[in-house]
Amino acid sequence: SQQGEEDPQALSIQEGENATMNCSYKTSINNLQWYRQNSGRGLVHLILIRSNEREKHSGRLRVTLDTSKKSSSLLITASRAADTASYFCATDETSGSRLTFGEGTQLTVNP
Amino acid sequence: GAVVSQHPSRVICKSGTSVKIECRSLDFQATTMFWYRQFPKQSLMLMATSNEGSKATYEQGVEKDKFLINHASLTLSTLTVTSAHPEDSSFYICSAAVGVGQETQYFGPGTRLLVL
Repeated sequence: SQQGEEDPQALSIQEGENATMNCSYKTSINNLQWYRQNSGRGLVHLILIRSNEREKHSGRLRVTLDTSKKSSSLLITASRAADTASYFCATDETSGSRLTFGEGTQLTVNP
Repeated sequence: GAVVSQHPSRVICKSGTSVKIECRSLDFQATTMFWYRQFPKQSLMLMATSNEGSKATYEQGVEKDKFLINHASLTLSTLTVTSAHPEDSSFYICSAAVGVGQETQYFGPGTRLLVL
């Protein structure tokens, strides 16, 4: 079963706006990762944040992790139409090396 | 960066036939490969984990006799869907992890299977 829950399920914004997606999980984790998937394609790794980190940046991406609340957020700043995709969080649980994916957020950036 | 390929990218077959999907790590050796299934507008569901030279570990609810996994080398894993049925139609994605204690998985582009 999926341990990750993401919200919103779908998000539609205008180009230039910021997009925030949230992910919650249930068990202890080693790290949490965010992936992007264009329609009908494979996944692209965006960023990894370890359980002892609280915030991480990569270009226009900012990820936060709150292990006390078992939640993470992905912020995409100054969004572009090309950012339109599905975004998934995935947790690497301390009990194993497998990734468990959230339900995903479908982001649409309108030009 | 690490590149993972899948072949074929899409396949249409008749019900009852078997379909083999290949997953290759092109520029690195993958100690572990993972197979996922993704239904439309849903998340990825892990089917099995395979380590080179050993039997795959299947997730609960995944029939090992129906989804045969062979990980014969450090760069190749295959998934065979035996006696495919329409309900097996899905997007199958593999990923490969580099080294022991790996954190990042590199994903293939996926294979779209349609069983008629």
